[in-house]
Formats: sequence, C-alpha cells, structure tokens
Amino acid sequence: DAMVIQNPRYQVTQFGKPVTLSCSQTLNHNVMYWYQQKSSQAPKLLFHYYDKDFNNEADTPDNFQSRRPNTSFCFLDIRSPGLGDAAMYLCATSRDRGGRQFFGPGTRLTVL
Amino acid sequence: DQQVKQNSPSLSVQEGRISILNCDYTNSMFDYFLWYKKYPAEGPTFLISISSIKDKNEDGRFTVFLNKSAKHLSLHIVPSQPGDSAVYFCAASANLLNSGGGADGLTFGKGTHLIIQP
Repeated sequence: DAMVIQNPRYQVTQFGKPVTLSCSQTLNHNVMYWYQQKSSQAPKLLFHYYDKDFNNEADTPDNFQSRRPNTSFCFLDIRSPGLGDAAMYLCATSRDRGGRQFFGPGTRLTVL
Repeated sequence: DQQVKQNSPSLSVQEGRISILNCDYTNSMFDYFLWYKKYPAEGPTFLISISSIKDKNEDGRFTVFLNKSAKHLSLHIVPSQPGDSAVYFCAASANLLNSGGGADGLTFGKGTHLIIQP
C-alpha cells in the first residue's frame, strides 16, 4: 500500500543534543510537509518542500532545519532541542500544493 | 491568533444518533476545507472535504456543510458508530481554486474529541 512512513515512532533526546526525524513516502507526491503538534494544540506547519524548493514558515525557529535528498525522503533536523520542542512531529505529503494531504503516524519527541 | 477554531474540545453522542462537529474560521482567503480523523498513536486520516464553491458535500454517513457568510462549517455523522470515536480536526487552505496550485500547508483547528456512547 502506498503510504507515508515516519521513523522512529518515539524519540528521546537530551536537552541540546541534535536529533533527526525521518519521513519517507511511496506516493511519489511532489510536496512534503512537516508539522509540529503540541499537546491539545492544532498541528502547526513548520515548512514544506515542493519538489526541491524549500519553503519555511515565517515563525519556524532557526533551530529547525529540513532536508529532502530525493522525492521519497524528507528529514527534520532539530539542532539544539529545548524542553519546549517536545511534541508530536507529523510528516505529510500531497500531489501538489494545497488540497488533500496524507499523513504519517508521527514521531513523538521527548526532550530530557 | 487562531484562524481555524473548534470551540468544543469534546463531544459525547449516543450510538445511532447524529454527531455534529463545528468549525469556524476567520481568514476570508480560505477556499478549501477538510476534515481529518485521528486515532491515538496514528496520524490524521482524511475524511471529507469541501471547496468554497459548494455548500454541501456528502460521502456515505458523513456530510460537510459550509456557510461562507458565517465562516462556519460543520461535519455531520449519521448514524454515529463506536468506531467513530476519535479526534476530529477541521483544516483549511487558501487560494486552491484561485491560483490552481494552492497555498502552503493546511491551517488546523485544535480538534474535537468525539466519544460515541454505546
């Protein structure tokens, strides 16, 4: 089945220790998104790639970076995680900008 | 500054009855609206959508109504079933119809936890 896969499902890191979250897709979609969702909050868009074109949201902290080495994979790098970065991180894809997005199961990040 | 609001954090409905989930938005540029369903430990899954050129879209037990003048949409589930118990997110995007490409990402509400009572 075509799908969006996120690894790991649960990630524990230490305060200030860099961490990378992974997303892959078999849908061959052009657009890949990263959302952050804190407890009882709405998912919030961090950035997205349209093909190789990176689009950062204005209020995304510099601490968050992303890489998309090919169509299938997209990574979220948190350079120096703080306690406030503990959240669920959701990866999503869409065939084109806007419209329906397909989500992965998420990675729950804990910062100690 | 929440552009998409779901004012009911939770809703309890008896099995077999109608569930009505509400969503309000403030951004007049939104032209495409979606409902996602989320079970614990899973990502959101698409349920139903509606574009701003329509006021109703129906898919089986699920119907979404859009009232543009009130900037309000609602999701009706009838009849409600135990498997419908989940968190429901309302989401919106802008300029999908106008530009043909759509804006960047979706703006989500905080979600409503629907509980179907047997």
